Formats: sequence, structure tokens, C-alpha cells
Amino acid sequence: NAGVMQNPRHLVRRRGQEARLRCSPMKGHSHVYWYRQLPEEGLKFMVYLQKENIIDESGMPKERFSAEFPKEGPSILRIQQVVRGDSAAYFCASSPPMGFGDTQYFGPGTRLTVL
Amino acid sequence: GENVEQHPSTLSVQEGDSAVIKCTYSDSASNYFPWYKQELGKRPQLIIDIRSNVGEKKDQRIAVTLNKTAKHFSLHITETQPEDSAVYFCAVLGGGGTSYGKLTFGQGTILTVHP
Repeated sequence: NAGVMQNPRHLVRRRGQEARLRCSPMKGHSHVYWYRQLPEEGLKFMVYLQKENIIDESGMPKERFSAEFPKEGPSILRIQQVVRGDSAAYFCASSPPMGFGDTQYFGPGTRLTVL
Repeated sequence: GENVEQHPSTLSVQEGDSAVIKCTYSDSASNYFPWYKQELGKRPQLIIDIRSNVGEKKDQRIAVTLNKTAKHFSLHITETQPEDSAVYFCAVLGGGGTSYGKLTFGQGTILTVHP
């Protein structure tokens, strides 16, 4: 059973470009979460999605950031017009469709560098 | 929202000694408390978790204790080994409402085990 997969693993963008980060949850998992980890800091929640639904986006910056989890295909975290402060590791996690209090398993992360 | 405090920020021990990391949280409705280990450049890896209906859980050299009344929980590692060296994060799952599904992480503890 493959774990959570993320691609690309490393992404370099220039200021003003767009970054698209992809996450494929573990097989059988229908809940996806995105977290951001700034250098030498802890993980901060960004958004929680189920198929075709955003459940909680309280950690998402109001502008430039968006997320989706379509019926088919991976979850996408999209950052428009990137700035240097967006440089961070972005981790995706997934959990099974059992509802409340389920364990979240993390992917290997995408390390975004904005030049 | 949930507030999670983790101490100490760094911990240095000799091989074979025990290590204890403590976390406090603010939301009394929270009921799931995982611990993650993160090696440099790697994903957070779940090492142990505990739910609010249990006071203590043990898995070989690792144990977690939970005091719901005082709203704190601790990670105990016995007989430490150099390969235990990593950053350890506690986390708290939102207890419901708008916090449902959201993990709030502590600031992390850098554990160094000296041979």
C-alpha cells in the first residue's frame, strides 16, 4: 500500500510565478490536509479537504493561495504570484473516511524555493 | 483557537538515558494527541498517539501519558539511542466545530542523543 505521495519534491520559482503542488492520498483515504513548515519552525495547518469539498481553510492566507481535491486526481495546492516568504516545505497528510479523530499520515513534502 | 506549548525546545542526553518532552494545550474538547518524529529533510513520522479515553500508552521504548484535567501530555523515551536524535513534535486534534480535522502542532523539541 503506497503511502501519501507528493510531487514535485523540489520546486524552484521566481517571484511572481505560480506554484502548483500535488498530493495523492493513501489508497482508501478520502481526507486530505495541507500544512506548511517554514525553515526551523513547526508545522502550521493550512486547509482540510474532502473530495470536492473544502472543510476548513482557516489556515490559508486570504490571497494568492487556493486548494482543491477533485473527484478524480490528486489534491492541488496552488500559490499564485509567489513571493520569497512563500519559501517553505509544504506537507500533505491524509486520513481514512472514518470521521472524527483519525490518524493523519504525511507525505514526503514539496520544498518550494522562491528566488 | 487551540494553543499548544511544547518544552523543552532542545534536549541533550547520553545514550541509554531517558528523555521526556511535555506539551500543554488549551481546548478541553480536544481528544486525540499524536507525536511525530521528523529527521532532517524528511516527513513527520507518527511514532505514538493517545486518545482522551486512555491515560497512558506504551510501545516498546516509547510511552505517552495524558492528563486531561490538567490539559497536558508527555512523551517518554527510555534507553535512548543515537538514532533517536531528531525533532519531535506533539500535536492536538481539534475537538470539533471549526477545529475538526485540524492538527495544531507544538514548536518542536530537538533531541540529541550522544553516544
